[in-house]
Amino acid sequence: GESVGLHLPTLSVQEGDNSIINCAYSNSASDYFIWYKQESGKGPQFIIDIRSNMDKRQGQRVTVLLNKTVKHLSLQIAATQPGDSAVYFCAENSGSSNTGKLIFGQGTTLQVKP
Amino acid sequence: DTAVSQTPKYLVTQMGNDKSIKCEQNLGHDTMYWYKQDSKKFLKIMFSYNNKELIINETVPNRFSPKSPDKAHLNLHINSLELGDSAVYFCASSQQYSGNTIYFGEGSWLTVV
Repeated sequence: GESVGLHLPTLSVQEGDNSIINCAYSNSASDYFIWYKQESGKGPQFIIDIRSNMDKRQGQRVTVLLNKTVKHLSLQIAATQPGDSAVYFCAENSGSSNTGKLIFGQGTTLQVKP
Repeated sequence: DTAVSQTPKYLVTQMGNDKSIKCEQNLGHDTMYWYKQDSKKFLKIMFSYNNKELIINETVPNRFSPKSPDKAHLNLHINSLELGDSAVYFCASSQQYSGNTIYFGEGSWLTVV
């Protein structure tokens, strides 16, 4: 069946440290993956995406790694800041159906300690 | 200059009522969506429309009826509201319906009492 899961519901890090948020997915047909950040009271905000023909993509302070062999996705945030505190969701498209449907994981709450 | 805007942001209503949530996007996107987020933060797609045509209907009760008057608008009408409909409803849009970034609105908090 379709499912996307995150390994930890809550991650607490010290300001300035690097954060790694993990995600496992089950649909091997998925070919597009996205990380979203959701702050309290707001909608999910796009952070970074990656297609299945890549295994790494970097943005500003963020890196997404994709391991298709074990169906694992991770988001790395460098030099974590208090403003990074939020719930982070990974999502995969259902690549076989070609409909734009995104399947979301349960979310990991990132807490940044000053 | 909000990209995806939805109204109202908060809605408290009684069981059995009918209510609508409106959504508009000014990104020029072809595809629009409605997602539901429950109390455990789980996000699940309800509907998607591409150029006013229904693409996805995720076995949502037919009390929920989306309406797309044009490709920039996708409204959600809910009949006979039930307690279990309480959730946050997010409108979203994307350029095309496959493999493109989906941009979300700020959400509409619906509470049914």
